[in-house]
Amino acid sequence: GNSVTQMEGPVTLSEEAFLTINCTYTATGYPSLFWYVQYPGEGLQLLLKATKADDKGSNKGFEATYRKETTSFHLEKGSVQVSDSAVYFCALRDSGGSNYKLTFGKGTLLTVNP
Amino acid sequence: DTEVTQTPKHLVMGMTNKKSLKCEQHMGHRAMYWYKQKAKKPPELMFVYSYEKLSINESVPSRFSPECPNSSLLNLHLHALQPEDSALYLCASSQPGQGDGGYTFGSGTRLTVV
Repeated sequence: GNSVTQMEGPVTLSEEAFLTINCTYTATGYPSLFWYVQYPGEGLQLLLKATKADDKGSNKGFEATYRKETTSFHLEKGSVQVSDSAVYFCALRDSGGSNYKLTFGKGTLLTVNP
Repeated sequence: DTEVTQTPKHLVMGMTNKKSLKCEQHMGHRAMYWYKQKAKKPPELMFVYSYEKLSINESVPSRFSPECPNSSLLNLHLHALQPEDSALYLCASSQPGQGDGGYTFGSGTRLTVV
């Protein structure tokens, strides 16, 4: 079956530090990959996505590249802000017939201090 | 309109009450979802409706009863819940059959069962 493994948190950084949150996946087909962000007390927001190998998703300074050879989709940001404090979920959606399910990683809590 | 709207935002109910959660989207999405999210955990899929028909029930107890009156609305009827059902309930929508599309999530209903 499909699965997503992301680095355990929490991650605590100072403002302007470099961020990496690792994400690897196992899938039977050719999945699309996503990063979702959940701010305190809110629902999930799609942060970025990539639909095929070597695609790079980017949004709000965050980037992630779909690496088929390493089955990875690591999230990076060059300079984090206090407002980036949130929980980040890596997820995949299979391209096969029953592609309704989003498979989530466990989530990584990021805290950015001033 | 690129939003999924959920009401109410907060709900406190007793174990003998009957209540309903509502979800609405006007993006023309024909797949709608209910997720349950416990604190510090990823969302767990409960139900999927595709073209207004229930296509996935993830073995959810019958005290949760979904309903999709039309392509824009999704309800979750609650009856005789248990305290362990307290959680954030998230609605989402997407286009069915498009694995490269992410889901759009609502902000959720925070349910407390007393």
